[in-house]
Amino acid sequence: EVQLVESGGGLVQPGGSLRLSCATSGFPFSNFWMSWIRQTPEKGLEWVANIKPDGSEEHYVDSAKGRFTISRDNTKNSLFLHMNSLRADDTAVYYCCSTATFWGRGTLVTVST
Amino acid sequence: DIVMTQTPLSLSVTPGQPASISCKSSQSILPRDGKTYLYWYLQRPGQSPQLLIFEVSNRFPGVPDRFSGSGSGTDFTLKISRVGAEDIGVYYCMQSAQVPWTFGQGTKVEIK
Repeated sequence: EVQLVESGGGLVQPGGSLRLSCATSGFPFSNFWMSWIRQTPEKGLEWVANIKPDGSEEHYVDSAKGRFTISRDNTKNSLFLHMNSLRADDTAVYYCCSTATFWGRGTLVTVST
Repeated sequence: DIVMTQTPLSLSVTPGQPASISCKSSQSILPRDGKTYLYWYLQRPGQSPQLLIFEVSNRFPGVPDRFSGSGSGTDFTLKISRVGAEDIGVYYCMQSAQVPWTFGQGTKVEIK
């Protein structure tokens, strides 16, 4: 059974940092592009970043460039999102996603004072 | 960025009747490596999105054959031949042909 389990969300002040993790199992993680996608009631679904299977290539939505870093550990079948300089409009449920196929259940990030 | 526009934004359907959702892209979604990266998802209440259709018209394993996808270029359609109670939720189209990947606004399907 394919599983993707996000963790690391929570309440953080504007300007703060957070590191999201996604533990995966049930599929050959090291063969797949992996993505982070976020969702808010106001903006809907927004792709944030993705990373090549071997970690050699990354892409980001413009609003995340320079602030977020996606990374992976293929030895631990895990995906990460390091988020710095967080803003109120980064508040969302963050999903880990394998290619465009399997999604985790999400972790809530709230940026607020 | 490619803007994905879905219509309608909401749909109320009598059980057993068909439903159709349109997804139009602001630029042509061109095939790459012989594939057109257009997807359809269903997000049921309280759940994460689940893949229904990949590469325009391919049903993901386990998806009932009452779901079908079609289209090319800038116009894509998801059809449900007979809507059932388990089909309620919000349907999204998404393109991953070009970074950034982009989603439609969602179409909320309810049962009459």
